[in-house]
Amino acid sequence: EVQLVESGGGLAQPGGSLRLSCAASGFTFSEHEMNWVRQSPGQGLEWLSNISISGTNALYADSVEGRFTISRDNAKNSLFLHMNSLKPEDTAIYYCAGGHGYFHMWGQGTLVSVSS
Amino acid sequence: DIQMTQSPSTLSASVGDRVSITCRASQNTRSWLAWYQVKPGKAPKLLISKASDLEGGVPSRFSGSGFGTEFTLTISSLQPDDFATYYCQQYHYYPWTFGQGTTVEIK
Repeated sequence: EVQLVESGGGLAQPGGSLRLSCAASGFTFSEHEMNWVRQSPGQGLEWLSNISISGTNALYADSVEGRFTISRDNAKNSLFLHMNSLKPEDTAIYYCAGGHGYFHMWGQGTLVSVSS
Repeated sequence: DIQMTQSPSTLSASVGDRVSITCRASQNTRSWLAWYQVKPGKAPKLLISKASDLEGGVPSRFSGSGFGTEFTLTISSLQPDDFATYYCQQYHYYPWTFGQGTTVEIK
């Protein structure tokens, strides 16, 4: 069974940092591009970042470019999102999702709250 | 960025009803359009890719159509498990963008 399990969410202060993780199982992680997508309270979904299979190439939405960094460890079947300079508007449920373009597998998400 | 606009925002319907959700793109996205079902506390679920390709395991009562700038998700006979929020998403242009969502609620 395909599983993506996010962790690392919680409360952070404005300007602070958090590191999200996504543990993958049930499929060959190293054969899939991976992404982070978020859903802000009462809002829709927003794609944030994509990372290539090897991890050498990454894309970002303008809203997080320069503040967030996506990475992966294929040996450990894990995806990461390093979030710096957090803003209150970064408050959201963060999902990891597999695929290029469209997302055929998703985790259940981890909640990030940014507040003083 | 490509703007994706869904209508209606909320849809009230009964079990057995045929329902349709429209998604309009601000630019031509050809067939690069996906539909997702989202329920609170659960992992979002891909229903359809490439505008009309049903994902494996998705019931055949779901169908997608359209090309270019106008797309439709249809549920032919609404079931209790279908009450959820549905999102369209284009993946022809970066950044990949979603519609604002359509909530299907019980009438």
